[in-house]
Amino acid sequence: GDSVTQMEGPVTLSEEAFLTINCTYTATGYPSLFWYVQYPGEGLQLLLKATKADDKGSNKGFEATYRKETTSFHLEKGSVQVSDSAVYFCALSVSSGSARQLTFGSGTQLTVLP
Amino acid sequence: GAGVSQSPSNKVTEKGKDVELRCDPISGHTALYWYRQRLGQGLEFLIYFQGNSAPDKSGLPSDRFSAERTGESVSTLTIQRTQQEDSAVYLCASSPGPGVGGDTQYFGPGTRLTVL
Repeated sequence: GDSVTQMEGPVTLSEEAFLTINCTYTATGYPSLFWYVQYPGEGLQLLLKATKADDKGSNKGFEATYRKETTSFHLEKGSVQVSDSAVYFCALSVSSGSARQLTFGSGTQLTVLP
Repeated sequence: GAGVSQSPSNKVTEKGKDVELRCDPISGHTALYWYRQRLGQGLEFLIYFQGNSAPDKSGLPSDRFSAERTGESVSTLTIQRTQQEDSAVYLCASSPGPGVGGDTQYFGPGTRLTVL
C-alpha cells in the first residue's frame, strides 16, 4: 500500500542554520506530494505541494522538489527562524476510486533555538 | 473567509460512553475527510465524503465508528462504546473537490478526545 517515511526527530537547530527533513514515499500510480506544518497549539496547515515529477513547491522560504527517480520530497530551508519551530508532516495523495485521502508520515518535530 | 471548524475542542468521556464530534467545512467545499492523530504519530485516514456519493469508509477502525454528512455541509463523527485506545485528536478536513487544486485539504483545529 501507499506509505510515507519521514526523517525521525526531534531536530534541534540554531537560528539561521540550514534545514533538511527527508521524506520518501511508496505509492501506486502518480501521487501528489505535500508538506503540512503544525505550529504549537494550532491546526495542521498546508506548507507546500507538488503534483508531478520535477515540480518544486515553495512557501515561506521552504522548498521541496518532487523526485520520481528517488521517490523523495525532501523539505529544505536555507536559514531557519525560531518561528519555524513546529511539527512537519510529509504526505501524499493518490486517487483511490473516488477518494483522494492523504497518507501521512509520522511527523518531524523541529525546534529552532535563538 | 472562515476555515474549517470543529467542536468541541476537548472532550473527556468515560469508557463505554458514546461521543459525537462535529465538523463544519469551508463553505462550497464538496469533499470532507476525517482523520485520527494518536499522540506522537501521523494522521490516520478514517472516512471521506464527496458530494452526494457514497462515503469511503475504508479507514474506519471498527463498527463502533460511524459518520454522517448533511448534504455538502456539517459532518458528525460518532464513536460508540468508547475505549481508551480511542483517545486521540480527531481532525476534519475539507477540499474543493474534483478539479485543479481540488486535492488540497484544509484542516480544522481538531477535537482532543480523552477516554478515561
